Amino acid sequence: AQTVTQSQPEMSVQEAETVTLSCTYDTSESDYYLFWYKQPPSRQMILVIRQEAYKQQNATENRFSVNFQKAAKSFSLKISDSQLGDAAMYFCAYRSSETSGSRLTFGEGTQLTVNP
Amino acid sequence: GAGVSQSPRYKVAKRGQDVALRCDPISGHVSLFWYQQALGQGPEFLTYFQNEAQLDKSGLPSDRFFAERPEGSVSTLKIQRTQQEDSAVYLCASSQGGTTYYEQYFGPGTRLTVT
Repeated sequence: AQTVTQSQPEMSVQEAETVTLSCTYDTSESDYYLFWYKQPPSRQMILVIRQEAYKQQNATENRFSVNFQKAAKSFSLKISDSQLGDAAMYFCAYRSSETSGSRLTFGEGTQLTVNP
Repeated sequence: GAGVSQSPRYKVAKRGQDVALRCDPISGHVSLFWYQQALGQGPEFLTYFQNEAQLDKSGLPSDRFFAERPEGSVSTLKIQRTQQEDSAVYLCASSQGGTTYYEQYFGPGTRLTVT
């Protein structure tokens, strides 16, 4: 079974600064997807960024980028130029690409605070 | 209103009562997932439908939990004889296709409190 671990229950960053959230995972599969989701207090889970394991290039979406280290099974999220609206719970998630309809396996989450 | 909707948003039940939680997926989405999110935790998978077929129910914690999607659109998660440990947010997600390529879109969740 796959597991996802987020070792930082809480992180804080000053507005306009950069912060990195850590995630490690364990799997025996070679092909899979990794995700970062944002969950604000409204509870709506929003996809931030997605990485296909077969792609060596790290995914980027505007101010959000990842550092994907497949051999180390590490998948960190970097938020640049942090904004007050970035404050939320962030979840790292794993999804197998080997089975149809595969579920998402989530980490425990990191609560990000952005200080003005 | 193109997103996933869930109702009710909040539900308080006395221990032992039965509850039914509804999920309206995005129109035309083939796949539907239910997750349970305990306070301060990440969501955990409960069950998965492709159209009306329940293809995976391995995450349902007990036989008190039952889910259906009879016409391949709206889904209902039913919990019988609720217990305090059932208190959680129940999230529904849908995706366009039946393969893992497609993104899951989440609803706002139903917060269930069992007293």
